[in-house]
Amino acid sequence: QQQVKQSPQSLIVQKGGISIINCAYENTAFDYFPWYQQFPGKGPALLIAIRPDVSEKKEGRFTISFNKSAKQFSLHIMDSQPGDSATYFCAASEGAQKLVFGQGTRLTINP
Amino acid sequence: NAGVTQTPKFRVLKTGQSMTLLCAQDMNHEYMYWYRQDPGMGLRLIHYSVGEGTTAKGEVPDGYNVSRLKKQNFLLGLESAAPSQTSVYFCASSYSYPSGDPDTQYFGPGTRLTVL
Repeated sequence: QQQVKQSPQSLIVQKGGISIINCAYENTAFDYFPWYQQFPGKGPALLIAIRPDVSEKKEGRFTISFNKSAKQFSLHIMDSQPGDSATYFCAASEGAQKLVFGQGTRLTINP
Repeated sequence: NAGVTQTPKFRVLKTGQSMTLLCAQDMNHEYMYWYRQDPGMGLRLIHYSVGEGTTAKGEVPDGYNVSRLKKQNFLLGLESAAPSQTSVYFCASSYSYPSGDPDTQYFGPGTRLTVL
């Protein structure tokens, strides 16, 4: 059973636009929600993370929005750039060790 | 610092063969992890370790064994490889006791394994 569901599978956005990727989780014990970015041929790298005591966290052009009651969280990339083209994974865990990942979203930013 | 390194980068096995994947980290991290990545399924945790000499099962442990004899190394073994184990394997590590960030996992570059 998929504990973390991610959508869409792929996304194409024009340069300068807003990219939005959504995730939903089932386990209410999850208390750590990171987003990882992966470029082709590389390992994933942490982009931004949130804990459920806040509803939003912003780092530069990247924002996580968190809705505890709906058990959903999303990644917003403002002013999307071609260099943001990558695969993005949401994840969730109880504590931060046993991460459960979403299926991934392949993001393409058209110049 | 090299960070997290994985050996080998690529490997092709025949069904029934065995092999060991090596992960090494130079960040003095306490925790280490092995994941597999398959198309459309994200990354799934195979086994993990919270310290030297300890290991624990993750989400998909069947068919794999691990050992953490030294703090900096985490080995993943396949005793009898099957085509279903064709995947990209990633190692990760986290947490430098006592003051390091306990949450961020740092990933290696991956090992692409094909089982024929």
